[in-house]
Amino acid sequence: KQEVTQIPAALSVPEGENLVLNCSFTDSAIYNLQWFRQDPGKGLTSLLLIQSSQREQTSGRLNASLDKSSGRSTLYIAASQPGDSATYLCAVRVVYGNKLVFGAGTILRVKS
Amino acid sequence: NAGVTQTPKFQVLKTGQSMTLQCAQDMNHEYMSWYRQDPGMGLRLIHYSVGAGITDQGEVPNGYNVSRSTTEDFPLRLLSAAPSQTSVYFCASSRQGDEQYFGPGTRLTVT
Repeated sequence: KQEVTQIPAALSVPEGENLVLNCSFTDSAIYNLQWFRQDPGKGLTSLLLIQSSQREQTSGRLNASLDKSSGRSTLYIAASQPGDSATYLCAVRVVYGNKLVFGAGTILRVKS
Repeated sequence: NAGVTQTPKFQVLKTGQSMTLQCAQDMNHEYMSWYRQDPGMGLRLIHYSVGAGITDQGEVPNGYNVSRSTTEDFPLRLLSAAPSQTSVYFCASSRQGDEQYFGPGTRLTVT
């Protein structure tokens, strides 16, 4: 059974700092990995999608990497801003059943 | 292009009542899913569908029914509401192997 773990569970950083969020998964049989952002009381916003054949994806100040063989992904946020404060969720789409399995998320707070 | 829409946004039920959460998408996606989100437990898959007329169970299907008569709609039915079903419910859709898009969620309280 696929399990997804996100570390740390919570992170507080000063504005301007570069930071890394970690995601690990137990089964490498995945189609893709997706990073989401969720603001309090809101839905999920897709940030980046990495297909299993890709190593990384970039969007603005965000860069996500994928190492399928070791079951790890990182989300790098450059020059963090208070507006980046949110919960960040990692999810893998498993091959068997084509379902999305989520981690519990990392709560990020960027202090001004 | 509205994306994924969900109704209602909020709902309060009494134990034993039934109701249907509505989900619709206008992107012609074949895959649709329902998740529930509970504090400390992340999102868990309830039911999913890979196309009209085809549904399957996810991780936590008990107490819920789904049907997929059209590509656009994927309603979730609570048969007899229980306090344990108090949660936030999200619907999502995608093409095969592609990015998942989520609706805004329905916040359900069962008393």
